[in-house]
Amino acid sequence: NAGVTQTPKFQVLKTGQSMTLQCAQDMNHEYMSWYRQDPGMGLRLIHYSVGAGITDQGEVPNGYNVSRSTTEDFPLRLLSAAPSQTSVYFCASSYSSGAPGNTIYFGEGSWLTVV
Amino acid sequence: AQSVTQLGSHVSVSEGALVLLRCNYSSSVPPYLFWYVQYPNQGLQLLLKYTSAATLVKGINGFEAEFKKSETSFHLTKPSAHMSDAAEYFCAVRHSYSGAGSYQLTFGKGTKLSVIP
Repeated sequence: NAGVTQTPKFQVLKTGQSMTLQCAQDMNHEYMSWYRQDPGMGLRLIHYSVGAGITDQGEVPNGYNVSRSTTEDFPLRLLSAAPSQTSVYFCASSYSSGAPGNTIYFGEGSWLTVV
Repeated sequence: AQSVTQLGSHVSVSEGALVLLRCNYSSSVPPYLFWYVQYPNQGLQLLLKYTSAATLVKGINGFEAEFKKSETSFHLTKPSAHMSDAAEYFCAVRHSYSGAGSYQLTFGKGTKLSVIP
């Protein structure tokens, strides 16, 4: 039972480069989301999706792009990496986001450094 | 807007002592509250959640939390700390961002728990 799988685990980018963080879940969850975690800031929501073909912005969406072509996958794209995007990124998923009591499950994280 | 405040970014307790991690929430509607634990270099794991059923919620690893509406609190406790409890703990509230019927998690800033032998 894989749960939420993120790749890569670690990545170093140069300023201005683009890259995609991959996220896949095998639980048939409708809801998927991306968070970034910075020291002393907790986790902040970047983008989320309530189903295939539907995405929306979270608290800190600037500089990131997402799409949801399948139920299983929710990639996060950094369009032109900046040092301020150095962070740990977490993908998360749950059953219907319309039921607020549903547990949200998290991946293991992707450590990104932009130099 | 809904939010959570965790009092104390670092808490140290002796092994065997009571663990108390504080969380206060701000919500205009009945909240759905969660506690997650994060061990070093790992993802977040759900400890317990409040979904408007019993106000005393029991979770994994001997943790529990009590929902107190009058105090807008959802503090996490464990009677006796163990070395393996050393981790970062996050309180979170699930609420609707856009009012369109989908609910997101908003996290507190976290509390790092150290357990002293």
